[in-house]
Amino acid sequence: QQQVKQSPQSLIVQKGGISIINCAYENTAFDYFPWYQQFPGKGPALLIAIRPDVSEKKEGRFTISFNKSAKQFSLHIMDSQPGDSATYFCAAGIYNQGGKLIFGQGTELSVKP
Amino acid sequence: GAGVSQSPSNKVTEKGKDVELRCDPISGHTALYWYRQSLGQGLEFLIYFQGNSAPDKSGLPSDRFSAERTGGSVSTLTIQRTQQEDSAVYLCASSLTSGGVHEQYFGPGTRLTVT
Repeated sequence: QQQVKQSPQSLIVQKGGISIINCAYENTAFDYFPWYQQFPGKGPALLIAIRPDVSEKKEGRFTISFNKSAKQFSLHIMDSQPGDSATYFCAAGIYNQGGKLIFGQGTELSVKP
Repeated sequence: GAGVSQSPSNKVTEKGKDVELRCDPISGHTALYWYRQSLGQGLEFLIYFQGNSAPDKSGLPSDRFSAERTGGSVSTLTIQRTQQEDSAVYLCASSLTSGGVHEQYFGPGTRLTVT
């Protein structure tokens, strides 16, 4: 019940294309869903996060879509750029229980020029 | 300002030896977390410290793993009698917490190799 399942494991997109990464969770108590971006040799960094009171959140080229009934959420990267090439992790947590996060397995994104 | 720092950046140890990994959180951050990242895997939660509260140790994989946080700042993760399956990158993160979840800022990690 604590798992967060992420797909695909790897993704290759042409420059200017849309990258889509999906995550699914089981624990209905989760109410905080962040996405982290990790470059090689670095720690993950928060990209964007959403809570279930909204179905979509957009920040620049990055959008989270959230489907509460399906217990799924996804990250869309519009106009993907080679600099977006990194590993992306979705995560889930319980907002009023502090910061413990359960992470997905990660998606390695490669954007080809 | 300075981010989360971890030391050493790399550690190679022999099976059966004890290791200590250090984390210096961002000044003023009251919450500190340890995660483990195995090759090609996601981040596995290990332990969480929040202020003076008892830590959440629910993610520690065995009693060979322990962590402490001194003076509400620096934290040390200790692995006793290391095994080859302990080889991974150990990540530390810190965050402000005043109710609710706040952004976790990660350090660069310590890559542990057990031979």
